[in-house]
Amino acid sequence: GENVEQHPSTLSVQEGDSAVIKCTYSDSASNYFPWYKQELGKRPQLIIDIRSNVGEKKDQRIAVTLNKTAKHFSLHITETQPEDSAVYFCASGGYQKVTFGIGTKLQVIP
Amino acid sequence: EAGVAQSPRYKIIEKRQSVAFWCNPISGHATLYWYQQILGQGPKLLIQFQNNGVVDDSQLPKDRFSAERLKGVDSTLKIQPAKLEDSAVYLCASSSAGTSRNAGQFFGPGTRLTVL
Repeated sequence: GENVEQHPSTLSVQEGDSAVIKCTYSDSASNYFPWYKQELGKRPQLIIDIRSNVGEKKDQRIAVTLNKTAKHFSLHITETQPEDSAVYFCASGGYQKVTFGIGTKLQVIP
Repeated sequence: EAGVAQSPRYKIIEKRQSVAFWCNPISGHATLYWYQQILGQGPKLLIQFQNNGVVDDSQLPKDRFSAERLKGVDSTLKIQPAKLEDSAVYLCASSSAGTSRNAGQFFGPGTRLTVL
């Protein structure tokens, strides 16, 4: 089955700086790569996703890049704000099913 | 639109007891997922339904866990008998994904289970 590795496990940045979270996957057939944000005590929420026919996607301060050859994808958050503090999960998969990474706890220091 | 509903939100039971969780997905979403999320870890898929059929239950401990999705809408997840290691948050999610279509998942608020 699919194996997703995510790093770092924790990340602290100063407010206004950028944050980058990286994931690698094992299944070359994977074609869908969503990212979820989970605030403490709340449910995971989809923040951005990318499909395998696209190399980069941006939505305001967040962007995701995908390198299918190397089987890795990354989440970039620019101009971080305290409300960005949360656990971020990457996921990888095909139609319907995705496998989640272990999560990255992001702390934005005011 | 209304989100994914789950109940109960919290449940405390003793080991060897049974427990059941209920999920109502977003209207029109054919795909329904049950995840187990242990503190500090990512969601682990237990079972996935497409309408009322099981797509993947490879990580469901079938000796104690069971799930059904009658009529392809609501779903229930049952644990019988519960073990201490079942303490976790059980998340239900739904998606409009299909056999040839990707789509993000929408999660319910979860049920926090504590087994004593």
